[in-house]
Amino acid sequence: GDSVTQMEGPVTLSEEAFLTINCTYTATGYPSLFWYVQYPGEGLQLLLKATKADDKGSNKGFEATYRKETTSFHLEKGSVQVSDSAVYFCALTRTTDSWGKLQFGAGTQVVVTP
Amino acid sequence: DAMVIQNPRYQVTQFGKPVTLSCSQTLNHNVMYWYQQKSSQAPKLLFHYYDKDFNNEADTPDNFQSRRPNTSFCFLDIRSPGLGDAAMYLCATSTPGTGSYEQYFGPGTRLTVT
Repeated sequence: GDSVTQMEGPVTLSEEAFLTINCTYTATGYPSLFWYVQYPGEGLQLLLKATKADDKGSNKGFEATYRKETTSFHLEKGSVQVSDSAVYFCALTRTTDSWGKLQFGAGTQVVVTP
Repeated sequence: DAMVIQNPRYQVTQFGKPVTLSCSQTLNHNVMYWYQQKSSQAPKLLFHYYDKDFNNEADTPDNFQSRRPNTSFCFLDIRSPGLGDAAMYLCATSTPGTGSYEQYFGPGTRLTVT
């Protein structure tokens, strides 16, 4: 079945450091890929998405590129802020699903210190 | 702004006392989902509605029920809450039939069982 694997956290880094969170997936066909962010006590917010190979999703300084050859969708940000402290979830959905079931990774907690 | 609203944000109930959580949306999406999330783990899908069609996940306990009286509203009923049901409950919506597969989440309801 489909699965998403992302690096374990917590990831702790200093403000203005470079952030990478690795995400790889297993799925048949051509899934859509997502990164969601969850701030403490809140629901999930869509951070970015990509729907086909070589697409790059970007938002709020975060980027991720859909790499079909390596089945990866790594999240990157060049200079993190304290406000980026959150849990980040990589997810996929099969576009052949009529109702769009999301398969989540386990989540990676990111802690940014001043 | 179009959004997903969950009420209440915090709910305390007693062991075995039925409780209802509510979700409403102004996005006019035809699919609504309920998730259970514990301790920053990945959200676990309980069930979803595609329009009026109800779809239960195979491992969702019978203790959890749902109602969707119209497009905008969806309710989660927990008939006899146990201590293990204490969690964050997230509602989400999507409109996969348009080719857009991302889900939009509400802020969640934190359920405490005493």
